[in-house]
Amino acid sequence: GAVVSQHPSRVICKSGTSVKIECRSLDFQATTMFWYRQFPKKSLMLMATSNEGSKATYEQGVEKDKFLINHASLTLSTLTVTSAHPEDSSFYICSATTFPGTRGSGTQYFGPGTRLLVL
Amino acid sequence: AQKVTQAQTEISVVEKEDVTLDCVYETRDTTYYLFWYKQPPSGELVFLIRRNSFDEQNEISGRYSWNFQKSTSSFNFTITASQVVDSAVYFCALSEERETSGSRLTFGEGTQLTVNP
Repeated sequence: GAVVSQHPSRVICKSGTSVKIECRSLDFQATTMFWYRQFPKKSLMLMATSNEGSKATYEQGVEKDKFLINHASLTLSTLTVTSAHPEDSSFYICSATTFPGTRGSGTQYFGPGTRLLVL
Repeated sequence: AQKVTQAQTEISVVEKEDVTLDCVYETRDTTYYLFWYKQPPSGELVFLIRRNSFDEQNEISGRYSWNFQKSTSSFNFTITASQVVDSAVYFCALSEERETSGSRLTFGEGTQLTVNP
């Protein structure tokens, strides 16, 4: 149980294009999903927290117009990197957590990540 | 502010050796949760354990064991009889007080464990 998928696993795009990354909880309903960014040999940096049906909460220094997050259902959140530039190249990871009081609540389960390369 | 310190950046051992990964945390919360995650070369973070601040019992799961000591704010992780497949980056993490959706995780910098045959 508690499986999270991400699509695509890898994407290469040209500078100036937009890229959408999907994060799905496959066998549970996720009230909250998180988006992280990870640089090589570094720890995870939280970008934003999204709750189903409401606006995402962005961490300080993260441009919300640059990184659009939508959490339209209890099993799907999307991150769109708009007008991507080479400095946006990174490993993006999502996680999901379930309802309070349910089994596993409070634990974040992570997707396999998406490697983005902007040329 | 919460903080997690994993002082060991890299550890290299030979297969079958025991290895302990250290984790020290700082928090002002009286109720909090501690986690360990494994990140193999593929990149996916694998959940290993969650411990709440009121449960100081040590836990053993197969070759894995965890030693939680509130007095020293430590949550160390030991792998017994290490195997090559244990090679990965291991992250210790701390979450805020509430056991609800939306709790933010503070991660340590990670420890790269390499197990050589």
